[in-house]
Formats: sequence, C-alpha cells, structure tokens
Amino acid sequence: DGGITQSPKYLFRKEGQNVTLSCEQNLNHDAMYWYRQDPGQGLRLIYYSQIVNDFQKGDIAEGYSVSREKKESFPLTVTSAQKNPTAFYLCASSIGLQNEQFFGPGTRLTVL
Amino acid sequence: AQSVSQHNHHVILSEAASLELGCNYSYGGTVNLFWYVQYPGQHLQLLLKYFSGDPLVKGIKGFEAEFIKSKFSFNLRKPSVQWSDAAEYFCAVNTGGFKTIFGAGTRLFVKA
Repeated sequence: DGGITQSPKYLFRKEGQNVTLSCEQNLNHDAMYWYRQDPGQGLRLIYYSQIVNDFQKGDIAEGYSVSREKKESFPLTVTSAQKNPTAFYLCASSIGLQNEQFFGPGTRLTVL
Repeated sequence: AQSVSQHNHHVILSEAASLELGCNYSYGGTVNLFWYVQYPGQHLQLLLKYFSGDPLVKGIKGFEAEFIKSKFSFNLRKPSVQWSDAAEYFCAVNTGGFKTIFGAGTRLFVKA
C-alpha cells in the first residue's frame, strides 16, 4: 500500500536534547512538508521541500531543521533552540505544491 | 496576509441533522480549495477539493462544498450527519504558491 509513515508515534524528550522525527513516503511524490498541529491553531507549516536536495522555511521554522537527501525521506530535527516543542507533528506529501496533500499518522512529541 | 477563517471551533449536532461548516479566505486571485477531515485516531485525509469548473463539488461520504467566489467562501455541507461523522474538519486554501493555508479547524460532535 502506498502511503506515508512517521515514526515514532510518541516521543519523549528532555529539555536541551535534539530529537529527529522520521517521515517516509512511497507515493513517488516530489513535494514534502512538515506541519505542527496545536489545539485551536490548525496546521502551521514548519518546512517544505519541492524536490530532492532542496527545502525552504515555512512560517515557524525557528528551532527546527530538515534534510531531503532522498525523494522518499524528509526527517525533521527538533533542536534545543525550539522554545515550545511539545506538539503533534504531521508530515505530508503531494505531487506538486498546489495539489492535495497526503498525511502521515503524526508524531506526538512531549518535552519533559 | 492571506488567511483562512473557519466560523466555528465546535459544532454539536444530533444525528440526522443537516451540517454546514463555514470557511472564508482572504485572497482575490485564483485559488485551489480543500476540505480535510481528521477522524479520531486516524490520518488527516482529503474530503473534497475544488480547482476549477462546477463550483459545487462532491466528496466522500456524502459531503459536498460550494465555492462562492464573490463571498470568498467554500462551505462544507452534508444533508444528514451520522455518528461516524464526528471528527475535526479543516478548510485549506492554496493560492498558487508553495503554501497551502489551513484554517484552525472545526470539531464536530454528534449526539445520538
């Protein structure tokens, strides 16, 4: 089955630690995205990538970093510089930037 | 700045009642419009989309939405809701650029 996988489902981190969230897709989509979902705020774009080896900052990129070395993979690192990292993180992909997006199941990150 | 506004954060309906969720956006040019749904414990998934043509679009599970360009609106409707429709609904707008803007979401509760 084609789709997007994210791991882990739940992640706990101590303050001051970096953590990397995994996102893999087998839909052969060029574009990939990372969103943060907080209650009552919808989805806010962290980073997006239109093609391999290229990515751009979204609205709330501070404290986050990404890489896009392979078409199917778009990992997100939440660094210690992110002041309020506890949230639900969603990865998505699409054929192009203007098309509908397909979402993964999400990773819930809790900073202790 | 471009924005998407969903009229209600929460809606409570009885089974068989009609549903209408409001969505307005602020952009005067060509748009691609989407409604996504997030059922409890499931991935965010596409409900329906509008790119061009007939402004009344039909989606999965009996949902439909009407694009009214003069009102910058894309309201979601269903004639008779079921208990299984309880979910969070997100309106989203792409204005032709790299970013799809999501509304804050409307959570639908259905009473038996």
